[in-house]
Amino acid sequence: GENVEQHPSTLSVQEGDSAVIKCTYSDSASNYFPWYKQELGKRPQLIIDIRSNVGEKKDQRIAVTLNKTAKHFSLHITETQPEDSAVYFCAASIGDYKLSFGAGTTVTVRA
Amino acid sequence: DTAVSQTPKYLVTQMGNDKSIKCEQNLGHDTMYWYKQDSKKFLKIMFSYNNKELIINETVPNRFSPKSPDKAHLNLHINSLELGDSAVYFCASSPTTSGATLFGPGTRLTVL
Repeated sequence: GENVEQHPSTLSVQEGDSAVIKCTYSDSASNYFPWYKQELGKRPQLIIDIRSNVGEKKDQRIAVTLNKTAKHFSLHITETQPEDSAVYFCAASIGDYKLSFGAGTTVTVRA
Repeated sequence: DTAVSQTPKYLVTQMGNDKSIKCEQNLGHDTMYWYKQDSKKFLKIMFSYNNKELIINETVPNRFSPKSPDKAHLNLHINSLELGDSAVYFCASSPTTSGATLFGPGTRLTVL
């Protein structure tokens, strides 16, 4: 099955700096790559996603890049704010039915 | 509110008991899921139903039995609960065509 690895497991950044989280996947047939943000005690919330026919997607301070050849994708958060502190999960799937998640990155934004 | 909802939010029970978690979505999605999040926060799919038909069953012990009475509901029944079943269980749903999986608020199950 699909195996998704995510790094780093924890990330501490100064407010206003950028944060980058990287994921790799094993199955070259994977074609859908969402990112979720989970605040403490809450549900995972979809923040951005990308499909394999697109190399980059941006939504305000969040961007995702995909390198299909290398089988890796990354989340970039610019101008970080305290409310960006959360656990972020990457995921990959073949088709849309079964998301395989990375282990998560705990992001702490220091004021 | 259009959403995925599940009940109960918290479930505390003794080993060996049987319990159920209910899930409903009013988004008109065709596909529903159960995910388990363990104490290390790892999210793993358990089951997926598409239009009431089971399409994914991820080597989950057969003490766990999902039931989908219609495409808006997916319930999870757990028999003979064990300590290792303690986790947060998330229901989720997605439309067939877009893949944007949305999660319910979660049920924190504690087995004593």
